[in-house]
Amino acid sequence: EAEVAQSPRYKITEKSQAVAFWCDPISGHATLYWYRQILGQGPELLVQFQDESVVDDSQLPKDRFSAERLKGVDSTLKIQPAELGDSAMYLCASSFQSGANVLTFGAGSRLTVL
Amino acid sequence: GEDVEQSLFLSVREGDSSVINCTYTDSSSTYLYWYKQEPGAGLQLLTYIFSNMDMKQDQRLTVLLNKKDKHLSLRIADTQTGDSAIYFCAERRTGANNLFFGTGTRLTVIP
Repeated sequence: EAEVAQSPRYKITEKSQAVAFWCDPISGHATLYWYRQILGQGPELLVQFQDESVVDDSQLPKDRFSAERLKGVDSTLKIQPAELGDSAMYLCASSFQSGANVLTFGAGSRLTVL
Repeated sequence: GEDVEQSLFLSVREGDSSVINCTYTDSSSTYLYWYKQEPGAGLQLLTYIFSNMDMKQDQRLTVLLNKKDKHLSLRIADTQTGDSAIYFCAERRTGANNLFFGTGTRLTVIP
């Protein structure tokens, strides 16, 4: 069964450091999403790509977060500098965007900022 | 309001039915979804329902949709200990392709 791959699974860093997360969506899925899930809450969208283009980054804190999907396949989410409040699970999802547009999620990258 | 709302906790005995409720925000939402999240893992799609349907059944899962009240429920029949997890409802709002999630309901199944 096709999966969304994410790495690293766990990341511990000190505040003010840079961190990066990588996502490889299911082959053929043109739409890729990065969600942030704070402990005890539901996921919230950070950024959505259609192929290599950003279609929604309204909730992305652009002073410290950046995301790219240069070739329209895999994607990187970067935080620089990390702050204590960035501790969360970062979830990547992809979809084929037809019909029900079901999002398939990866296992997530858990970030702890000390 | 702007939030998708769910009760935070539900406990049931093994073998009983579980009913998880959700109130969503956009009466024009086209699809409603239920996802399951086990500890430390990503979200797994359980089922979804198109907005022109009132009910959908898939093995032990039954989804009921009340568009007038913007209420969605998930019934799990014969609940097992392996069903213990957090359950999220999500809506696909008009004009959007991403999903808006509730806060999640933690289901605990007591043996």
